[in-house]
Amino acid sequence: KQEVTQIPAALSVPEGENLVLNCSFTDSAIYNLQWFRQDPGKGLTSLLLIQSSQREQTSGRLNASLDKSSGRSTLYIAASQPGDSATYLCAVTSTGANNLFFGTGTRLTVIP
Amino acid sequence: DGGITQSPKYLFRKEGQNVTLSCEQNLNHDAMYWYRQDPGQGLRLIYYSQIVNDFQKGDIAEGYSVSREKKESFPLTVTSAQKNPTAFYLCASRYDKNTGELFFGEGSRLTVL
Repeated sequence: KQEVTQIPAALSVPEGENLVLNCSFTDSAIYNLQWFRQDPGKGLTSLLLIQSSQREQTSGRLNASLDKSSGRSTLYIAASQPGDSATYLCAVTSTGANNLFFGTGTRLTVIP
Repeated sequence: DGGITQSPKYLFRKEGQNVTLSCEQNLNHDAMYWYRQDPGQGLRLIYYSQIVNDFQKGDIAEGYSVSREKKESFPLTVTSAQKNPTAFYLCASRYDKNTGELFFGEGSRLTVL
């Protein structure tokens, strides 16, 4: 069964710093990997979706990469802002499965 | 605007009562999902549906039931058989069950008194 891990569980950085969040998965047979943001008490907001044939996706200050062979994805956030403070989750859709496997998230705090 | 609407946002229930959480989407998505989120835990899949009139159990289906009579709607009933129903419930959908981008509603918080 696919297992998705996000380390660290929490991260604090000063405003303006560039940072990288990590996501690893055990089975490389995936359709895609998706990054989400969740604010306290809210639903998940989709940030980036990377299909298995792609290496990276970019949206504004966010860049997500995918290395299927090593079972890793990174979410790069440039010039972090206090408004980026949230929990970031990654999820993969495995081939042969009909649902997504989620990591437990990294709680990011950007200090003004 | 297109999106996923969950209601109610907050719900209180007495032990022994069944409650139904609503999930409606106007995105023309085929696949719909219900997840449960508890503090310190990841999302756990309760039920999912890939097409109207069809649904499958997820990892924690016991004590829950669903229906998918319309493409737009996927209500979740939390029955009295669910031993620990207090949680945050999230509904999601996507156009394609394998490659589509997943979108979430705002969630429903259920508290059992």
